[in-house]
Amino acid sequence: GAGVSQSPSNKVTEKGKDVELRCDPISGHTALYWYRQSLGQGLEFLIYFQGNSAPDKSGLPSDRFSAERTGGSVSTLTIQRTQQEDSAVYLCASSPGTANYGYTFGSGTRLTVV
Amino acid sequence: DAKTTQPTSMDCAEGRAANLPCNHSTISGNEYVYWYRQIHSQGPQYIIHGLKNNETNEMASLIITEDRKSSTLILPHATLRDTAVYYCIARPIGGSQGNLIFGKGTKLSVKP
Repeated sequence: GAGVSQSPSNKVTEKGKDVELRCDPISGHTALYWYRQSLGQGLEFLIYFQGNSAPDKSGLPSDRFSAERTGGSVSTLTIQRTQQEDSAVYLCASSPGTANYGYTFGSGTRLTVV
Repeated sequence: DAKTTQPTSMDCAEGRAANLPCNHSTISGNEYVYWYRQIHSQGPQYIIHGLKNNETNEMASLIITEDRKSSTLILPHATLRDTAVYYCIARPIGGSQGNLIFGKGTKLSVKP
């Protein structure tokens, strides 16, 4: 597609349930990033995939968070046993390579944990 | 990473130039200056980046001081659609540090 696609756009889940968020990057982009943004706050880096290299997971806030990227394309961010503090907009971005310019962000998934 | 300091907020009149400053006094030689912006309820959007030379593209100009300790993003003719939070980031070009760390940014309000 022309841009980064994220689904679902909105997700309401009960506390304690698991959720999966999907990101479809721009075709050919080797780098993929997950960020989250709580209401009124800045962007918090979560995880970064680059090609076939081991992902940089340094931003994941707890072991309830995990992500995978299959076939170097689609990525899934999984949050297990969701908590209310997980409520945020989860943003995915992709870029053509390792350079820090030219990120293209998706519109995000707004997660609400009730 | 070099810490960047930006004003919390700025106003600009529609049609005038918006000059957004950024201080990065501890920037190292391999760190570029990147600017992104985030319009309300959207994901951030790349604007421009530079190392030491001034840069211009269709969106904006980036002026970097000779000592590289500060820079200014210039939107030459601001429109209401330029109202957004603008992020200045100092970071290596990529490689093992291929992820951007966003700070608080400057909230630019363009007023009619």
